[in-house]
Amino acid sequence: GALVYQYPRRTICKSGTSMRMECQAVGFQATSVAWYRQSPQKTFELIALSTVNSAIKYEQNFTQEKFPISHPNLSFSSMTVLNAYLEDRGLYLCGARWGPNTLYFGAGTRLSVL
Amino acid sequence: LAKTTQPPSMEAYEGQEVNVSCSHTNIATSEYIYWYRQVPHQGPQFIIQGYKDYVVNEVASLFISADRKLSTLSLPWVSLRDAAVYYCIVTDIQGGRALIFGTGTTVSVSP
Repeated sequence: GALVYQYPRRTICKSGTSMRMECQAVGFQATSVAWYRQSPQKTFELIALSTVNSAIKYEQNFTQEKFPISHPNLSFSSMTVLNAYLEDRGLYLCGARWGPNTLYFGAGTRLSVL
Repeated sequence: LAKTTQPPSMEAYEGQEVNVSCSHTNIATSEYIYWYRQVPHQGPQFIIQGYKDYVVNEVASLFISADRKLSTLSLPWVSLRDAAVYYCIVTDIQGGRALIFGTGTTVSVSP
C-alpha cells in the first residue's frame, strides 16, 4: 500500500533559526506533493503544491523565500522553514499524490518555536 | 473551488451506524468528492472518493445526491477507533489542484 513518511516527527527550534523537514513516499511514485500546515487550533493551510515537471506553486501568504521546497524525484520532497518564529509553529503535513485522484498523507512534522 | 458545509460534531455509540452529511451546492462538473479523517497525532487518512451515485469500499459508503449538491458518508458499526475529525473536500485534483480542508465534523464514539 501507499505510505508516506515524514521526518522528523517533532522538532524544536529557536526563534529566528531554520528547520528542514522531509517527506518520503514509499511503495509508489508521487506525481505531486502538497505541503500543509495545521495550526494548534487544527486549521489547515495549504503552503504549496509541487508537481513533477512544473514549477512549485505557492499559496498566498507563503513564499519560496520563507518555505523553500525541494522535489528532486518522485519519491522525495523536503521543505525548510527559514527564520522560524512563533507564528510558524504547527503540524507540517506532506500529502503525496498516488494515482489520478488521491493524496496520501504522512503523520506530519510538529514544529515548536522557542 | 466548491465550498463544503458539514455539521461541526456528531456523537455515536459503538456499533451504531454514523452518517456524516456534506453540502456542496456549487460543485463543478469537473470536481470529485473526497472524504478524509484525522485522528490525533496523525495526518489525514483517505477514506473514500466519488463523483456520483453510490460508492462503497471496505471502510465506508458514500451516497451522492442526483444533483451532486449533497453527499453522505456512512460508517457502519463504528468503534472507538472511528472517533476522528471527518473532512469532506470537493476539488478537481486531476486538474492539478490540492485538497483544501475545512473544519470538518468531529465524530465522538462512546462505549
